[in-house]
Amino acid sequence: DVKVTQSSRYLVKRTGEKVFLECVQDMDHENMFWYRQDPGLGLRLIYFSYDVKMKEKGDIPEGYSVSREKKERFSLILESASTNQTSMYLCASSRDREHTEAFFGQGTRLTVV
Amino acid sequence: GENVEQHPSTLSVQEGDSAVIKCTYSDSASNYFPWYKQELGKRPQLIIDIRSNVGEKKDQRIAVTLNKTAKHFSLHITETQPEDSAVYFCAKLTITGNQFYFGTGTSLTVIP
Repeated sequence: DVKVTQSSRYLVKRTGEKVFLECVQDMDHENMFWYRQDPGLGLRLIYFSYDVKMKEKGDIPEGYSVSREKKERFSLILESASTNQTSMYLCASSRDREHTEAFFGQGTRLTVV
Repeated sequence: GENVEQHPSTLSVQEGDSAVIKCTYSDSASNYFPWYKQELGKRPQLIIDIRSNVGEKKDQRIAVTLNKTAKHFSLHITETQPEDSAVYFCAKLTITGNQFYFGTGTSLTVIP
């Protein structure tokens, strides 16, 4: 089974803090994604990566950055957390352009106070 | 653009009835359309998908139809059961094969 693991299930951070959300997949997938999930807004793409050190902006990249130094790990960084970044964050991965199913992590519920 | 519109946002049906969720998109570059189910407190999981060269696909009680000309696709669940209660997301994959865009979700409640 494909396993996508996010480092934390729940996080509480203060406004202005730098926050790191980590995601690891164990199936050598090329593509990795970060989404945020908010009620009524569905899953919105923040960033995705299709290879090591490669990244592309999604729909809502403002206030976020990402890092993919190794194929299995994709990190989401909140440079200076704000209260409007309180949300559920979901990481996902997919194998390649031919094997398109996306596998999700369990989610990180981030609260910024 | 990349928007996927999904309707309805909430849906309640009696056990045994059918449920239909519809999604529309605007670009012509997408060729893969999956549906994900997210149970309360759990991660989204793929339940069925369809590619643009197919008009309909069925897997037991669930089916997906695609009208590529009209740019809409639908999820059909027949003989609904309480365990079908969840949030359902439609999605599309860009032609480059590496960007998923999701609809806003439909919260389905099956009333026993």
